[in-house]
Amino acid sequence: GQQVMQIPQYQHVQEGEDFTTYCNSSTTLSNIQWYKQRPGGHPVFLIQLVKSGEVKKQKRLTFQFGEAKKNSSLHITATQTTDVGTYFCAAAGTALIFGKGTTLSVSS
Amino acid sequence: SAVISQKPSRDICQRGTSLTIQCQVDSQVTMMFWYRQQPGQSLTLIATANQGSEATYESGFVIDKFPISRPNLTFSTLTVSNMSPEDSSIYLCSVEGGAEQYFGPGTRLTVT
Repeated sequence: GQQVMQIPQYQHVQEGEDFTTYCNSSTTLSNIQWYKQRPGGHPVFLIQLVKSGEVKKQKRLTFQFGEAKKNSSLHITATQTTDVGTYFCAAAGTALIFGKGTTLSVSS
Repeated sequence: SAVISQKPSRDICQRGTSLTIQCQVDSQVTMMFWYRQQPGQSLTLIATANQGSEATYESGFVIDKFPISRPNLTFSTLTVSNMSPEDSSIYLCSVEGGAEQYFGPGTRLTVT
């Protein structure tokens, strides 16, 4: 079945540093979604990428979809303590297939 | 958007027993999804539930262990049967809403 690999598994940064998580698939994706799960919470939708090479921004968050539609990334500029949580990419089909997630911790 | 509630929010159960988790959505939806999230892990799809038909289970999940009901377009239940400690997990229901999926708050199950 379809799988998405996500790295790194964990990342600790100092507040103000940048953060990036990467998502890769062995097959071409129709689209990819990104979710954030705060500790103790449930996944919350951030964005969907559909087009090859697409780049979308949400304030300090930048999302990219690769030209071949097999990889994606989420970049956070100047992290804040409110950014802590686990970020999941998910391949969208009939249902979502989630990557293993990247857990971000931020120290002030 | 969709607002999803789940009951119970958490439970501690003895091995060998069964627990039924309820999922209520504030709007009518065609498909509902059940996921499992083991501690510190990602979400794994258990099954997709359509109203009026049998649920479709993912590899590794079977109806005898995880029977699902979908009596109408706003409600579904997932039963975890004959539980063992390995079933300790968070169980989440989810629905589609346009381009995104909405998740319920989850049911945290501990099996002793």
